[in-house]
Amino acid sequence: AQRVTQPEKLLSVFKGAPVELKCNYSYSGSPELFWYVQYSRQRLQLLLRHISRESIKGFTADLNKGETSFHLKKPFAQEEDSAMYYCALAGAQKLVFGQGTRLTINP
Amino acid sequence: EAGVAQSPRYKIIEKRQSVAFWCNPISGHATLYWYQQILGQGPKLLIQFQNNGVVDDSQLPKDRFSAERLKGVDSTLKIQPAKLEDSAVYLCASSQTGGSYNEQFFGPGTRLTVL
Repeated sequence: AQRVTQPEKLLSVFKGAPVELKCNYSYSGSPELFWYVQYSRQRLQLLLRHISRESIKGFTADLNKGETSFHLKKPFAQEEDSAMYYCALAGAQKLVFGQGTRLTINP
Repeated sequence: EAGVAQSPRYKIIEKRQSVAFWCNPISGHATLYWYQQILGQGPKLLIQFQNNGVVDDSQLPKDRFSAERLKGVDSTLKIQPAKLEDSAVYLCASSQTGGSYNEQFFGPGTRLTVL
């Protein structure tokens, strides 16, 4: 079975501070992992995926198969990063989402 | 390109009534998804279509929920009769092809309140 856990429902950091949103997964196959983001009054949209190994808006995420984690990181938070973040696991035919973490960046 | 369109944006009904939601995916996208997002949770897949065929409906409560995608373009999701626990945001998404690893593009959602 596929399972995604985001242990923090809420995360608040100050502008300029580092950010780490945690994501752990459970899956017997080879995982494909994503981070989706929803800014206020906007649609849910893809932020990044691990197979692309890219940095988007300063965010990176490394797949750690040993720890079954895919944490999202940014060295210096900006106010516009405030949003709802969802980790998602693609397996078999479907995408399974975590519960989400609401990130608030304080000025 | 135009995004995924959904209507209505909001709907309030009483329990045991029926309701229908409409989705128009991005032009050319073969795969269409319906998700249910209950407050405080992530989206949960209800049904996935590839063109006009069903790929996965394992989490669709088939005693009350139904969905169709005639002609492989627009789709409707129906609930009949609605229960209090159906209160949620219903999201439609589309992707160019099937395969869960493809980027999904989401609509604005329909917020359903069942009283």
